Amino acid sequence: GENVEQHPSTLSVQEGDSAVIKCTYSDSASNYFPWYKQELGKGPQLIIDIRSNVGEKKDQRIAVTLNKTAKHFSLHITETQPEDSAVYFCAASPGGYQKVTFGTGTKLQVIP
Amino acid sequence: GAVVSQHPSWVICKSGTSVKIECRSLDFQATTMFWYRQFPKQSLMLMATSNEGSKATYEQGVEKDKFLINHASLTLSTLTVTSAHPEDSSFYICSARDPRGVSTDTQYFGPGTRLTVL
Repeated sequence: GENVEQHPSTLSVQEGDSAVIKCTYSDSASNYFPWYKQELGKGPQLIIDIRSNVGEKKDQRIAVTLNKTAKHFSLHITETQPEDSAVYFCAASPGGYQKVTFGTGTKLQVIP
Repeated sequence: GAVVSQHPSWVICKSGTSVKIECRSLDFQATTMFWYRQFPKQSLMLMATSNEGSKATYEQGVEKDKFLINHASLTLSTLTVTSAHPEDSSFYICSARDPRGVSTDTQYFGPGTRLTVL
């Protein structure tokens, strides 16, 4: 089955700096890669996703890159703000109605 | 995006009792819903896939008789933790795929239910 690894497990940045979270996956059949933000005591919220036919996707301060050959994808948050502080999960799936496998999570702390 | 709700948001029960958690898709119909379990500071682990009108598909290692799933309508799936024990204490989260729009791959998550078994 799919195995998704995520690094780092914790990340502290100064407000205004950029944050980068990296993930690798094992199953070459995976073609859908969502990123979720989870605040304490709440359910995960989708923040951005990317498909294997696209190398990069941006949405305001958030961007995701995908290297399908190397089987890794990354989340980039620019101009970080204190409200960006949360746990971020990457995930991978073959798409359709197949299982989504989550990474281990990254706790991001943005220091004012 | 699509909205998924859960009820209750938290529940405390005595060991040996059963607890039912509801997951609803509020603005769309979901033929498939998913149930996850999350321990503190850990990732989400898929427990089962709930299919409307048919039996749920459980992940390896998840006890079917302990975690009963019923997907009786296109907007409601329930998870019943039977004969709960302290080790069942966890954060239970459901999700659903929205069949409308461009992406049917995207899962939308509920707010979660914190279960504490005394």
